[in-house]
Amino acid sequence: QMELVESGGGVVRPGGSLRLSCAASGFTFSDYYMTWIRQAPGKGLEWLATTSGGSRYSTYAASVRGRFSISRDNAKNSLYLQMNSLRAEDSAVYYCAKSHLGYLPNDAFDIWGQGTVVTVSP
Amino acid sequence: DIQMTQSPSSLSASVGDRVIITCRASQDISNYVNWYQQKPGKAPKLLISAASNFQSGVPPRFSVSGSGTDFILTISSLQPDDFATYFCQQSHTTPLTFGQGTRLEIK
Repeated sequence: QMELVESGGGVVRPGGSLRLSCAASGFTFSDYYMTWIRQAPGKGLEWLATTSGGSRYSTYAASVRGRFSISRDNAKNSLYLQMNSLRAEDSAVYYCAKSHLGYLPNDAFDIWGQGTVVTVSP
Repeated sequence: DIQMTQSPSSLSASVGDRVIITCRASQDISNYVNWYQQKPGKAPKLLISAASNFQSGVPPRFSVSGSGTDFILTISSLQPDDFATYFCQQSHTTPLTFGQGTRLEIK
């Protein structure tokens, strides 16, 4: 059974940093592009960043480029999101998601984690 | 960026009703549209990818149509489990973008 489990969310002050983790199981993690997506309270879904299976390719939304960094450790079946210079508008539920086909950076997302909540507040 | 505009934003309907949700892309995205269902407090669930590829377990009361810029998700006979928020997403071009969602409520 394919599963993603996020961790690392919490409350952080504006300007602070946080590192989210996503543990994958039930599939060959290194074969798939992986993505971070967030959802602010009562709002829609915002794609943030995607990385290829071998980490050679990463792409970011303009809203987080230069502040957030996506990475992965295939030996640990884990995906990460390093978030720096956090702002109030970064408060959201953060999801990691698995690409459906695996070999495309632009794809649907067929497995999602349960989400981890990030709150940026003084 | 490609804008995905869903309508309606919310919809009240009864069990057994037929509902239609539309998604319009700001430019031609061929068939690179995906549909998700999200229930409160849960992660989105992929229903349909590449405009017409249904995930395993999606009931046949769900159907889709469209290509290019206009896409439609139809639920032919609403069941209690269908009351949720539905999102479209384009996978044609980065940044990947989602529609704002259609909240389907019980009348």
